[in-house]
Amino acid sequence: EPEVTQTPSHQVTQMGQEVILRCVPISNHLYFYWYRQILGQKVEFLVSFYNNEISEKSEIFDDQFSVERPDGSNFTLKIRSTKLEDSAMYFCASTVIQGARGEQYFGPGTRLTVT
Amino acid sequence: RKEVEQDPGPFNVPEGATVAFNCTYSNSASQSFFWYRQDCRKEPKLLMSVYSSGNEDGRFTAQLNRASQYISLLIRDSKLSDSATYLCVVNMRPGANNLFFGTGTRLTVIP
Repeated sequence: EPEVTQTPSHQVTQMGQEVILRCVPISNHLYFYWYRQILGQKVEFLVSFYNNEISEKSEIFDDQFSVERPDGSNFTLKIRSTKLEDSAMYFCASTVIQGARGEQYFGPGTRLTVT
Repeated sequence: RKEVEQDPGPFNVPEGATVAFNCTYSNSASQSFFWYRQDCRKEPKLLMSVYSSGNEDGRFTAQLNRASQYISLLIRDSKLSDSATYLCVVNMRPGANNLFFGTGTRLTVIP
């Protein structure tokens, strides 16, 4: 069964450093997402991406964040200058169609720890 | 009012019991509804979509009440492997793709 993959599984970084989180969505999916989950809190939407551009973003997704699809398979989330409060699980998700029937499938996540 | 609201639990039930979870959502224009399960420190896994007519998948039954903006999940004949956090998830805006998650309801099935 095809699945979303993410690397690394755990990233430790110092405050102020740049990090890039990587995702490989399911191959025939067209819509890609990043979510985050701070420990003990709910999953929160960050950004959606379709046709090589951002289609929607939340208030959390400020100028420190960017996304890119550098090739036909990878989808990346970059945090330019990490803060302590960026420590969270970051989940990538993908879906084949958008809207009402767009069931999103999540990758295993990257645990980001900012020290 | 929170966008998606769930009773956090925990629900501790014996094996074989029937348990029901409820969820309310704030936006009456919400388009699609899902139940995901999340094991500790793992990703959300899609359990089932929730359709207007209600739907069943084995021991799991989901219901939607649009008038009351209410979604439910019923688990019959609980198994130890059902122990997890159940997330109520809503796509709130027509044409949008971002999902709104509830905080989840923790279920522990006891032998």
